[in-house]
Amino acid sequence: DAKTTQPPSMDCAEGRAANLPCNHSTISGNEYVYWYRQIHSQGPQYIIHGLKNNETNEMASLIITEDRKSSTLILPHATLRDTAVYYCIVRVAYRDDKIIFGKGTRLHILP
Amino acid sequence: DTAVSQTPKYLVTQMGNDKSIKCEQNLGHDTMYWYKQDSKKFLKIMFSYNNKELIINETVPNRFSPKSPDKAHLNLHINSLELGDSAVYFCASSALGNQPQHFGDGTRLSIL
Repeated sequence: DAKTTQPPSMDCAEGRAANLPCNHSTISGNEYVYWYRQIHSQGPQYIIHGLKNNETNEMASLIITEDRKSSTLILPHATLRDTAVYYCIVRVAYRDDKIIFGKGTRLHILP
Repeated sequence: DTAVSQTPKYLVTQMGNDKSIKCEQNLGHDTMYWYKQDSKKFLKIMFSYNNKELIINETVPNRFSPKSPDKAHLNLHINSLELGDSAVYFCASSALGNQPQHFGDGTRLSIL
């Protein structure tokens, strides 16, 4: 079972920041938080990951709370092409590092 | 250049047939995976190979047999196809450690 809880769907206006929350209250100290997205049945696409510090890359920012029990993915200027299902995943980075996908959040970007 | 490529993209076949899906990655990764996404869009891992060695086998029926001729390839052979095998199958690869997985575009398998 997935160890994360996400809202099933969210709307965001084009050009605004999209903030996607994720709860992972049972996260262990050695588990990373990863975000992927899946656009219209394409293969899942990696976005960003972090352990405890906030992270930023060219796609998004990841904000992890100090107790690590929740995180927020921020798409700073959402476009229509960001419409997708976003998955928040926690996993240990060992050799046996399967990803367990939950149901994700379906993000609709509104024109 | 496609990092993780799967062939075929679409596969339509009759129940009871045997079919194979091929996957190749040019990222130099040591680990490769097969995932199944059913009609309800749940994405579940099936197998994982690290350097041609089976690491993960998630209670998949024996009719599914992965084969890794080298670390850049992980093929999936399915015997005696059943209606419930209809799904999208994704291949992925990753380096060791906390590196993310890179996915192919999927193979859409339809059983008639």
